[in-house]
Amino acid sequence: GAGVSQTPSNKVTEKGKYVELRCDPISGHTALYWYRQSLGQGPEFLIYFQGTGAADDSGLPNDRFFAVRPEGSVSTLKIQRTERGDSAVYLCASSPGTGGYGYTFGSGTRLTVV
Amino acid sequence: KQEVTQIPAALSVPEGENLVLNCSFTDSAIYNLQWFRQDPGKGLTSLLLIQSSQREQTSGRLNASLDKSSGRSTLYIAASQPGDSATYLCAVRFTGANSKLTFGKGITLSVRP
Repeated sequence: GAGVSQTPSNKVTEKGKYVELRCDPISGHTALYWYRQSLGQGPEFLIYFQGTGAADDSGLPNDRFFAVRPEGSVSTLKIQRTERGDSAVYLCASSPGTGGYGYTFGSGTRLTVV
Repeated sequence: KQEVTQIPAALSVPEGENLVLNCSFTDSAIYNLQWFRQDPGKGLTSLLLIQSSQREQTSGRLNASLDKSSGRSTLYIAASQPGDSATYLCAVRFTGANSKLTFGKGITLSVRP
């Protein structure tokens, strides 16, 4: 597509529930990144995919968080047993590869855990 | 630890003023640096990307400079307009950081008519 698409744009869920956040990168972009942004803070790295594999998942806060990219395009960030502290904007970005390319970000998914 | 700092956190200026937004980073071993704009409740829009071998990049009224040795970048906005009001984020890709970006907290700019 023309840009990075994230769905849903907003998600409200109850504490303890499971959520999935979707990212559709720019067509042909092999690198995909997930970031999390809390209010008043800069985005913080969660996980990075090169193709289908997670090249770096060091930013995932704990084992409740998991992400997949089975066909090297769309990615899904999965959060189990959500907690109120998970409330944030989850941002996805893609780039053509791992060279000196810039990132293109999506509009984000605002997750609120009540 | 590799960190990016943006000070001040907020800035208010009258329309028409030329202004400079600062970004500092703790490690001079960088791959590139990118400036983003974020409007309230929105995602990030890329403004300028500077590779480590470059000293500056320009786009319209925006000019970004990079001084790796001192760990600094500046975003210069000429003839500011109310439509420039937004949060400006600086992000650094440090060498060896496996392609991830480290962000500052951003500077929230308000341009008064």
